[in-house]
Amino acid sequence: AQSVTQLGSHVSVSEGALVLLRCNYSSSVPPYLFWYVQYPNQGLQLLLKYTTGATLVKGINGFEAEFKKSETSFHLTKPSAHMSDAAEYFCAVSEGETGRRALTFGSGTRLQVQP
Amino acid sequence: EAGVAQSPRYKIIEKRQSVAFWCNPISGHATLYWYQQILGQGPKLLIQFQNNGVVDDSQLPKDRFSAERLKGVDSTLKIQPAKLEDSAVYLCASSLGAISGNTIYFGEGSWLTVV
Repeated sequence: AQSVTQLGSHVSVSEGALVLLRCNYSSSVPPYLFWYVQYPNQGLQLLLKYTTGATLVKGINGFEAEFKKSETSFHLTKPSAHMSDAAEYFCAVSEGETGRRALTFGSGTRLQVQP
Repeated sequence: EAGVAQSPRYKIIEKRQSVAFWCNPISGHATLYWYQQILGQGPKLLIQFQNNGVVDDSQLPKDRFSAERLKGVDSTLKIQPAKLEDSAVYLCASSLGAISGNTIYFGEGSWLTVV
């Protein structure tokens, strides 16, 4: 079984400030981890993913995330927020190479960027 | 490259009526998913197809929901009879196939309101 917990349903930052969105996962097998972004009235777009290899993963739009096995975390960061980053962000897990392929999502974090 | 296509985008029906959603995945994608996203929650997997076979339908409410993927390409998701709690966005997604790390691409969703 697998699950994802996203701490904070709403996060508000000022433009230019650091963005930190938290994600903790639970998985009985080595996980694959993903961050998706959803803009209003749109589908989900992949920001980045971790499968194997380097634990610091860089994605689109300046976002990055670090897989920390000891902390079962995969937090999403961006050094400097932009107004266009305002959206809903979802962390997701799948059971890796040998397990269940479909994604299990967290409940999402809505990011607001204040001017 | 064309993305995942879904229709209709919006549908309003009365409870106990039926509704059907259609999905055309990205060309060549063997795996197709239907997710349900209730307002304020993360997407929840309803069913996963590999070509025209069902891989996982453990969370599909089979007394009222059905899905098929004839010929391993397009898919339809049907709800009959609809309940108020079925109000949600129904997301179709696809991926190349069997490997967990393959990116899953989402359509823009079909918004269902049951009144």
